[in-house]
Amino acid sequence: KNEVEQSPQNLTAQEGEFITINCSYSVGISALHWLQQHPGGGIVSLFMLSSGKKKHGRLIATINIQEKHSSLHITASHPRDSAVYICAVPSLTDKLIFGTGTRLQVFP
Amino acid sequence: DAMVIQNPRYQVTQFGKPVTLSCSQTLNHNVMYWYQQKSSQAPKLLFHYYDKDFNNEADTPDNFQSRRPNTSFCFLDIRSPGLGDAAMYLCATSRGLQVWNPLHFGNGTRLTVT
Repeated sequence: KNEVEQSPQNLTAQEGEFITINCSYSVGISALHWLQQHPGGGIVSLFMLSSGKKKHGRLIATINIQEKHSSLHITASHPRDSAVYICAVPSLTDKLIFGTGTRLQVFP
Repeated sequence: DAMVIQNPRYQVTQFGKPVTLSCSQTLNHNVMYWYQQKSSQAPKLLFHYYDKDFNNEADTPDNFQSRRPNTSFCFLDIRSPGLGDAAMYLCATSRGLQVWNPLHFGNGTRLTVT
């Protein structure tokens, strides 16, 4: 079973701050997903990565396969970034296992 | 825009009264998933369809059923909702089962059981 742990569970920031959210998993994987869930409930897929680093706008995701660790960074954070950020990795049977998420609140 | 649409957005049902949630997609994806997400918890996979092949998770209660009449539509039926079934139900699609396929989620249906 692949366990997924995210830290921190809750994060508060001032607008403009640099944000880092971490994800650790226990079993070797082929791909990792970062997802964003807004208060209304809908989930948006942000990144899928299997190595290195990906960037989309102010969002950057990195993964270190050897250390079984991934980070999601948000540069110049904005109140509209307030959401729950979820890391998901495949189980040994290729089903996705979701972390419990990091709740981010960015204040103006 | 191609998307995944869930209806209704909010659903209230009575204890024991059958309810159906619907999901439609314009992405022409092969795989459709149903997840249950309770407050402050991670989404939990209930089942998925790969084309017409239905795959139930081992711990999904028999109370939950699903239908996929065609590529575009998938339904979640809760035969006798209990109070513990109150949750957000999320539909998602992907092109294939391999984990490197991105998931596309709908906005969810929040189910209340009274």
